[in-house]
Amino acid sequence: DAGITQSPRHKVTETGTPVTLRCHQTENHRYMYWYRQDPGHGLRLIHYSYGVKDTDKGEVSDGYSVSRSKTEDFLLTLESATSSQTSVYFCAISETTGPSGNTIYFGEGSWLTVV
Amino acid sequence: GDSVTQMEGPVTLSEEAFLTINCTYTATGYPSLFWYVQYPGEGLQLLLKATKADDKGSNKGFEATYRKETTSFHLEKGSVQVSDSAVYFCALSLNSGGSNYKLTFGKGTLLTVNP
Repeated sequence: DAGITQSPRHKVTETGTPVTLRCHQTENHRYMYWYRQDPGHGLRLIHYSYGVKDTDKGEVSDGYSVSRSKTEDFLLTLESATSSQTSVYFCAISETTGPSGNTIYFGEGSWLTVV
Repeated sequence: GDSVTQMEGPVTLSEEAFLTINCTYTATGYPSLFWYVQYPGEGLQLLLKATKADDKGSNKGFEATYRKETTSFHLEKGSVQVSDSAVYFCALSLNSGGSNYKLTFGKGTLLTVNP
């Protein structure tokens, strides 16, 4: 299994509060991603990073920000949580070279409920 | 834009039945194609992949062949088991410039195998 750790794994928070999800990898992969999974929508890309301090938006980035200060850590912040952000969040990593090149590996997910 | 269409579920089969889950794609270039599997309460695991036309990916008795002429990557297994019950996602990865790879997912197909 790819060395990806997400924290927290489960969280309940109130509307309007900030929330930060953390993704930590031990594979030294260059690319890191945050996806959300919702019924009827599959997985949708929120933000991704192609290096330290290099990030870009995905298809559903509104209301989310990210930071990557170290290769191994990628943080996703919900600046002011809303009920529509109740979802399962998956971190993923990839590398472009080597035997696993161009393959994306996923963490185990973080279940977030906004009440 | 790039997209993946997979057959809608749920799919319910009896143990030892033959499985096909259809997947077709639209892409502007030459993508790599993947099947991921998600067991209940877990993250996505790579099941198999193919990186060029006519390649066949295989793993755990599952197979899929990259068909460029029909833009398809159908998943098959000759004899399913109860333990194969899961959600299956077809996905494509395309170099969007600067060696940046992102996955585009289908919406997933729920497979239930009954004893």
